[in-house]
Amino acid sequence: GESVGLHLPTLSVQEGDNSIINCAYSNSASDYFIWYKQESGKGPQFIIDIRSNMDKRQGQRVTVLLNKTVKHLSLQIAATQPGDSAVYFCADLNYGQNFVFGPGTRLSVLP
Amino acid sequence: KAGVTQTPRYLIKTRGQQVTLSCSPISGHRSVSWYQQTPGQGLQFLFEYFSETQRNKGNFPGRFSGRQFSNSRSEMNVSTLELGDSALYLCASNAGGPGTGELFFGEGSRLTVL
Repeated sequence: GESVGLHLPTLSVQEGDNSIINCAYSNSASDYFIWYKQESGKGPQFIIDIRSNMDKRQGQRVTVLLNKTVKHLSLQIAATQPGDSAVYFCADLNYGQNFVFGPGTRLSVLP
Repeated sequence: KAGVTQTPRYLIKTRGQQVTLSCSPISGHRSVSWYQQTPGQGLQFLFEYFSETQRNKGNFPGRFSGRQFSNSRSEMNVSTLELGDSALYLCASNAGGPGTGELFFGEGSRLTVL
């Protein structure tokens, strides 16, 4: 079946540096993508979303880039802080269907 | 506005038993979906309910079932528990219909099967 995957299971960055988390998706009909952050012991929390008619969207310290040609999604976190340490999931949605989540990338912020 | 509420937060069962988990969505949200999260597997979709009807279903055995009530609250049931059912079960609600937008997750119910 169609799936969304993450290239790296773990990512370590220095505090203050920028982080880039990548995601590949396989369903060319996907039209909506979300990045979620999950801290230990908590449920996933929405970070940012993007629709397939866009290639970039910015939030507070975060930017999501969508490359439909190669079916690739990335999450950029500027000036990474200790509070950014968490597992990040991308999720893919084909309208009317259910979200498909990637396996997650664990981001560790080093002091 | 209160978030998605799941009960119980933690529970321990033995093989062969059954379990019922409850989820109260955000007020006004009519769509509720359930996910199983295990180490290394990420989030796997179980099912989604909208207006008391199951609209989508994941690839799980029939031991996993759910329902939604007229007030949008939802329950899921797992019968004849197996060790592999140990997981964090997450409920999420969204404001629109199935597959229409952002999911708001609860904190989850952590099930341990001994």
